[in-house]
Formats: sequence, structure tokens, C-alpha cells
Amino acid sequence: SYELTQTPSVSVSPGQTVSITCYGDKLGQKGAAWYQQKPGQSPILVIYQFTERPSGIPERFSGSNSGSTATLTISGTQDMDEADYYCQAWDGTTGVFGTGTKVTVL
Amino acid sequence: EVQLVESGGGLVQSGGSLRLSCLVPDFTSSQHWMHWVRQSPGKGLVWVSRINRDGSIASYADSVRGRFTTSRDNARTTVYLQMNNLRADDTAVYYCARDVRSNWDFDSWGQGTLVTVSS
Repeated sequence: SYELTQTPSVSVSPGQTVSITCYGDKLGQKGAAWYQQKPGQSPILVIYQFTERPSGIPERFSGSNSGSTATLTISGTQDMDEADYYCQAWDGTTGVFGTGTKVTVL
Repeated sequence: EVQLVESGGGLVQSGGSLRLSCLVPDFTSSQHWMHWVRQSPGKGLVWVSRINRDGSIASYADSVRGRFTTSRDNARTTVYLQMNNLRADDTAVYYCARDVRSNWDFDSWGQGTLVTVSS
């Protein structure tokens, strides 16, 4: 079955930039979205189609794609960005979520 | 973005059944694919199933295929997840989500409903 692999955790200082990667075989030929989830809350879409940002999502969130790796970058990280982040794609007729990355703002 | 509302979760014994509902308070809801996603306690998100606009096409994760069935009633703007032969590892918060662009990205989610399967 198709898998998406993420680094389990990263830490960042307020105001700094952090990047989260998501690896999947031939991911660049599919498409990827990113979700933010805070404890006890539902996920929120922050990036879709690798690079697109939904309305209402701050500009400090951006996405990119290179071959089999999708990347979510948070520039000028704020305390409120501390959360779990999941990438997501599909394989045929089934959806797949990444393993998740916990972002800690120190 | 719209706020979806799930209901129907609860405590059930292993081997039992539950039906979850997801109300989509949007008159355009029949135009979108809808998905179910679950999250076991302390774990990550797991895609469960999807259904197309008119309910004629559905697909499932391997872990639930043959036990779960998703359907929809567009007149009631409601999507359902019928879960049969439940197992302890089906214990999770179940979310419904809207695929507004029909491109496997989910712009709207519900608050989730907790399903607990006791063994």
C-alpha cells in the first residue's frame, strides 16, 4: 500500500523558519495537501495541490514539491503554529495521510 | 468552507454495528465528493472512505472494506457511514470531510464523533 513518510517532530524558535517534508513514491505525479491539527481540534487545510493556500490561511504558510517530496514551510513561526501537521495524497481510489509531524515552538 | 456536523458515535461491543451521520449545511453539498477520516486516540489521521456526488461510487481503505459502507442522501444533505462487525481497533474519532475541488483535498471538516468498541 502507498505510504507517506514524515519526520516525527521538529522544533523551532519564534520568528524562525521551519520546513516539514513528506516523502512518497512518485508523489510529484499525484498531488499533496497539508493539514494543521491542534490538540482536541479538527484538522484545518493549510496547503493544497502542493503550493496553493486556501483563503484565510496566513501567508507564512507555503508549500513546494520536488520529485517525490512535498514540503511545508512556515516562515516567521508564531506560538500559535505549534501543532501536528499531516500531508495527504491518494493512490488510485484510496486516500493516504502521512505519519504526521509535531511542530514545537520553543 | 462550511461546518459539517457528525453524529451517531458511541460505545458498542465488538462485533456490533453503528451508523454515523454527517450533516452538510450547504445547499451545494450534492456537488462534492465526501470522505470519512478517523483518528485513534493519540494516533494520526487515517483515511477511511469516500463517496461521489450522486452516491453511485464509493471506495474504502483496506482495513474497513467489506465491513463499512458509505452512502448519502442529497435531499437531506447527509452522508452516512454504516459500520458493521466492529473491532477494538476501529475505536477512533470519526470525521467527515468535504472535497470541494474533487481533488483529494478537504476544505471542510466536522467536529468528529467518537466510536468506542469494547472487547
